[in-house]
Amino acid sequence: RKEVEQDPGPFNVPEGATVAFNCTYSNSASQSFFWYRQDCRKEPKLLMSVYSSGNEDGRFTAQLNRASQYISLLIRDSKLSDSATYLCVVNKGGSYIPTFGRGTSLIVHP
Amino acid sequence: GAGVSQSPSNKVTEKGKDVELRCDPISGHTALYWYRQSLGQGLEFLIYFQGNSAPDKSGLPSDRFSAERTGGSVSTLTIQRTQQEDSAVYLCASSLRWGGETQYFGPGTRLLVL
Repeated sequence: RKEVEQDPGPFNVPEGATVAFNCTYSNSASQSFFWYRQDCRKEPKLLMSVYSSGNEDGRFTAQLNRASQYISLLIRDSKLSDSATYLCVVNKGGSYIPTFGRGTSLIVHP
Repeated sequence: GAGVSQSPSNKVTEKGKDVELRCDPISGHTALYWYRQSLGQGLEFLIYFQGNSAPDKSGLPSDRFSAERTGGSVSTLTIQRTQQEDSAVYLCASSLRWGGETQYFGPGTRLLVL
């Protein structure tokens, strides 16, 4: 099993739709979790950290399920500008090297 | 404020030549990472610097790859005797203290080995 796994997609949704991505991780000692966004031919940029209690930032909601070892990202009211690849990042406890998933591609169409 | 910068933005070289890629992290960030991203692939960790500690080189794919960080700031990734499979985007990132925090990425260097 890969350390961090994501469905590559693409997820093709209309504007205004709600879409959710999951990311599973294999190491139960993982402690830090993030979602990054990467636009085509651009560098990754932090979208949001993922906290144990779940957190929300506008249209974006991140959740952590430690028992099942996955994190999720929910995007409500999708915009065309949300089209990008979403990268899941996990840090093992005590490790300074983050592990990146291969990303989930989202395409929002008119 | 100034973000992470990398140079050159693009590099085309011939197989067998050496290349140097440069990264200027955000001022005051003690942690610096190099990653490689091939077309359609995820980020592959290469090397990690933290302050004055010895770097973690566990991700370097071969001894043709090396990196240094001078004065705890600028870093240079060197690839000797480049091969076609080295073609990729090389991304540098920095964070305030360590990788468990937000990483700020540079725009990357696109390397093409002919």
